[in-house]
Amino acid sequence: DAKTTQPPSMDCAEGRAANLPCNHSTISGNEYVYWYRQIHSQGPQYIIHGLKNNETNEMASLIITEDRKSSTLILPHATLRDTAVYYCIVKVIQGAQKLVFGQGTRLTINP
Amino acid sequence: EPEVTQTPSHQVTQMGQEVILRCVPISNHLYFYWYRQILGQKVEFLVSFYNNEISEKSEIFDDQFSVERPDGSNFTLKIRSTKLEDSAMYFCASLFGLNQETQYFGPGTRLLVL
Repeated sequence: DAKTTQPPSMDCAEGRAANLPCNHSTISGNEYVYWYRQIHSQGPQYIIHGLKNNETNEMASLIITEDRKSSTLILPHATLRDTAVYYCIVKVIQGAQKLVFGQGTRLTINP
Repeated sequence: EPEVTQTPSHQVTQMGQEVILRCVPISNHLYFYWYRQILGQKVEFLVSFYNNEISEKSEIFDDQFSVERPDGSNFTLKIRSTKLEDSAMYFCASLFGLNQETQYFGPGTRLLVL
């Protein structure tokens, strides 16, 4: 089973920042936090990952709390195309283990 | 930008028939995966493949399923005798490995078993 907890759904206005929370209170020291999203029934799309420092790329920012028990994915200026299911996944650093998907957060961007 | 491709995008088959789903992973990737997603449910892991052998498989991946890398580019999932409950989206993913731990997914094949 997934080791993360996410709200089932969220809404955000277009142009505003979307902040998606994730709890992973049982995360181990050798586990990364990954975020993927799935638009409609398309294949999951990688967004970002991190270990303990905050990370930013062209898609999003990832804020991980100091105790690493929770994180927030930030889409700084949400657009209608960001409407998707967002998955927060924890996975060990080493090796090529499978991804374990939970139910994710269904984010709806409203015009 | 390199991407994972899958064919066909849709497949309709009769129960009991064999199907082969095809994937072309990103060219320098070393690890390959199949996942499936039944309509309205979460994405589930089926199998991972490395160095020409299965490295992990789930309970779903029973004797009816097999995977193969027949040449240097394709990665296939075969279902020998399809059941109604095999109807799902099937996603292929690949990963470079060697501490580059991000899996990249293909667009999926929608399989409908009648």
